[in-house]
Amino acid sequence: QQPVQSPQAVILREGEDAVINCSSSKALYSVHWYRQKHGEAPVFLMILLKGGEQKGHEKISASFNEKKQQSSLYLTASQLSYSGTYFCGTASGSARQLTFGSGTQLTVLP
Amino acid sequence: GAGVSQTPSNKVTEKGKYVELRCDPISGHTALYWYRQSLGQGPEFLIYFQGTGAADDSGLPNDRFFAVRPEGSVSTLKIQRTERGDSAVYLCASSPLGTSGRRNTGELFFGEGSRLTVL
Repeated sequence: QQPVQSPQAVILREGEDAVINCSSSKALYSVHWYRQKHGEAPVFLMILLKGGEQKGHEKISASFNEKKQQSSLYLTASQLSYSGTYFCGTASGSARQLTFGSGTQLTVLP
Repeated sequence: GAGVSQTPSNKVTEKGKYVELRCDPISGHTALYWYRQSLGQGPEFLIYFQGTGAADDSGLPNDRFFAVRPEGSVSTLKIQRTERGDSAVYLCASSPLGTSGRRNTGELFFGEGSRLTVL
């Protein structure tokens, strides 16, 4: 089943923070985050394995609550380059493929 | 090239025609995935190859869709008797390993996709 992302869209001013949520009804092994700009390929941001770890890359970090089957992506002090659609992809058990959510469209304005 | 290459980038065809979409993965990547992305939606899994074999084809919508990877590198997605509902961007991704398990490398490297329009 497809994970549910929220919000569907968010508009920010440069420097503001944002949180994007991803939840699943299935037990998850891992959560993957990708960003896709219009007309381009999705680009990998990070992966979180079950265990509740939090990972980060510069001003983008994420958490994974395996008990709630939820993950959140945190964008701090957003930059114009953060604009795009963010997708979470989930993997369960031995499945090799990812099931992606419908995406969250993030727009950062100057 | 260094990345995943997909051809054609755009394909317009008529309903009922046959279409082939090609994916050239990153050299050395054993795992290859096909996804389909409709406007405003996330990528939808179609099929996964590990080497030459289709390890999971559970996402193929029906028997009009078929994919091959005969030498474990280039893959071709084949769609027979195309329908208007097949219109989408078909994305290919490759990875050194599968996306699950303890050896999970995490990253899928996506190509820019082949946009298929069925008139």
